Amino acid sequence: DAGVTQSPTHLIKTRGQQVTLRCSPKSGHDTVSWYQQALGQGPQFIFQYYEEEERQRGNFPDRFSGHQFPNYSSELNVNALLLGDSALYLCASSLRPGRGYQETQYFGPGTRLLVL
Amino acid sequence: DQQVKQNSPSLSVQEGRISILNCDYTNSMFDYFLWYKKYPAEGPTFLISISSIKDKNEDGRFTVFLNKSAKHLSLHIVPSQPGDSAVYFCAAIDYNNNDMRFGAGTRLTVKP
Repeated sequence: DAGVTQSPTHLIKTRGQQVTLRCSPKSGHDTVSWYQQALGQGPQFIFQYYEEEERQRGNFPDRFSGHQFPNYSSELNVNALLLGDSALYLCASSLRPGRGYQETQYFGPGTRLLVL
Repeated sequence: DQQVKQNSPSLSVQEGRISILNCDYTNSMFDYFLWYKKYPAEGPTFLISISSIKDKNEDGRFTVFLNKSAKHLSLHIVPSQPGDSAVYFCAAIDYNNNDMRFGAGTRLTVKP
């Protein structure tokens, strides 16, 4: 079992560009959550996808959007990149959303995005 | 808006001794608390949790204590082992509002 995989591992973009990050959940998991971890801070919840729909959303602007595919994999898209979007983006998968999923979610290693 | 704070960025302890990692929160609506451990180049992994209706939860070498009146929780690791060296994040959940917040993490180094 490969666990949660994310691609790419590192990415450099310039301000105003758009970026797409990808996540494959752990085998058997159907729920994907995305987090942003800025340098020196803890992860911040962006949103969660289940059954190809956004189920929960944190305090992030509409520039952050996502998608979940029928095979449960997911993409995070960020438009009009800002310098402040530079961060480690973590994907986590779990089995079904709902109370307690945080204890059973598996995190991927993350994608480090640098915006110049 | 740092509702969850880990005021010690780093902690160093000797192998076999106790490690105590601290976490403070400000939002009284938080009703569930978790600790995650993160090794370099890996994602965080769940370690232990505690409900707000309890004041202690123990799992092997790991014990989490919750002091609701002080809005403070701590993670005790006894005895500490070199393999425990990692960054530890505390997190708090307000289930009523679907809000989860993480602290900034504490880097623990256990010296042999």
